[in-house]
Amino acid sequence: DVVMTQSPLSLPVTLGQPASISCRSSESLLHTDGNTYLSWFQQRPGQSPRRLIHKVSKRDSGVPDRFIGSGSDTDFTLKISRVEADDVGVYYCMQGTRWPPWTFGQGTKVEIK
Amino acid sequence: DVQLVQSGGGSVRPGGSLKLSCAASGFSFEYIWMTWVRQAPGEGLEWIGRIRSKTDGGTSDYAAPVEGRFTISRDDSKSTLYLHLNGLTTEDTAVYFCASDDDGAYWGQGTLVTVSS
Repeated sequence: DVVMTQSPLSLPVTLGQPASISCRSSESLLHTDGNTYLSWFQQRPGQSPRRLIHKVSKRDSGVPDRFIGSGSDTDFTLKISRVEADDVGVYYCMQGTRWPPWTFGQGTKVEIK
Repeated sequence: DVQLVQSGGGSVRPGGSLKLSCAASGFSFEYIWMTWVRQAPGEGLEWIGRIRSKTDGGTSDYAAPVEGRFTISRDDSKSTLYLHLNGLTTEDTAVYFCASDDDGAYWGQGTLVTVSS
């Protein structure tokens, strides 16, 4: 099974400052159809996950443009250009290319310093 | 608007059974593959299974920890997804989420299953 490894697992950030989360997969996530199925989710306390980014860098509807996804192959990054209080929560990367159909990273907890 | 509204869940003894439901609206449910994900208390997200649309065969895939105990089904006439949980153990205690299989664009609100003696 593909393994997704996130770092850091805890990310204290200052309001207005940038933040960056890394996600590495144990196998290439480039699908034979040419797409790379790497998504990012935000889970606020007590809520269900909300998808922010899919196919590495495609922002979902309503997601602020300060959330930026990038990467390729096995190495991916989620950047928040200027952290706001509303961004507190746990962020997960997820692959949809290999078996099992979905594999998640361990999660990165973002909190305000 | 797309909505996935979950029901079912609750507390059950080890070895018991439960059925979870996920009612969909706002999209053409019959054409969409659907997925179940769970989250144990204080833990991360774990994929547990998915079901294809009837047009794609209607078959299901399961994660190893639940294979043979859990069954996913769907009733397209009711736009509803189901998860049948059998042979429950304390390790199955978690919040269970339904989600659309298109890389998780839409999620239900989650429902708690507690397995305890």
